[in-house]
Amino acid sequence: GDSVTQMEGPVTLSEEAFLTINCTYTATGYPSLFWYVQYPGEGLQLLLKATKADDKGSNKGFEATYRKETTSFHLEKGSVQVSDSAVYFCALRDSGAGSYQLTFGKGTKLSVIP
Amino acid sequence: NAGVTQTPKFRVLKTGQSMTLLCAQDMNHEYMYWYRQDPGMGLRLIHYSVGEGTTAKGEVPDGYNVSRLKKQNFLLGLESAAPSQTSVYFCASEGTTARAKNIQYFGAGTRLSVL
Repeated sequence: GDSVTQMEGPVTLSEEAFLTINCTYTATGYPSLFWYVQYPGEGLQLLLKATKADDKGSNKGFEATYRKETTSFHLEKGSVQVSDSAVYFCALRDSGAGSYQLTFGKGTKLSVIP
Repeated sequence: NAGVTQTPKFRVLKTGQSMTLLCAQDMNHEYMYWYRQDPGMGLRLIHYSVGEGTTAKGEVPDGYNVSRLKKQNFLLGLESAAPSQTSVYFCASEGTTARAKNIQYFGAGTRLSVL
């Protein structure tokens, strides 16, 4: 079956530090890949996505590139802010008719300190 | 601009009690989902619906039932609550247009404790 493995946290960084959160996946088909973010007390919201190999998703200074050869979709940001403190989830949706389910990783909690 | 609204936000039940969680979306989305979030487990899909009057099982459906009588509402029922159902429940919706597809919009969650 499909699965997503992401680095476990918590991750604590100082403001303006570089962020990488690793995500690798296994899928039976050709999946679309996502990063969702959950701020404290809120539901998840889509941060970025990529639907085919070598696509780069980007939003709010975050980036992730779909690497089919390494089955990875690592999240990066060059300079984090306190407001980026949240839980980040990597997810995939497999291809094919009837593929509605999103498969999530366990989440990585990021804390950014001033 | 409400988006996805879940009620209630918090609930405490005793083992064996029943309850219904309501999810309402105002974006005219076709697809709706119920997830549960447990520490260290990520989100797991309970049930989902691809249109009014249709429902299907997800990854962890046991102990739950759902109904989608109206397009904008998706109800999650617990007939006989168990402590293992203590969790945070999230509803999500998704459109089917080219622009909306593959973007799930989540509610703020319902925190349920079963004693």
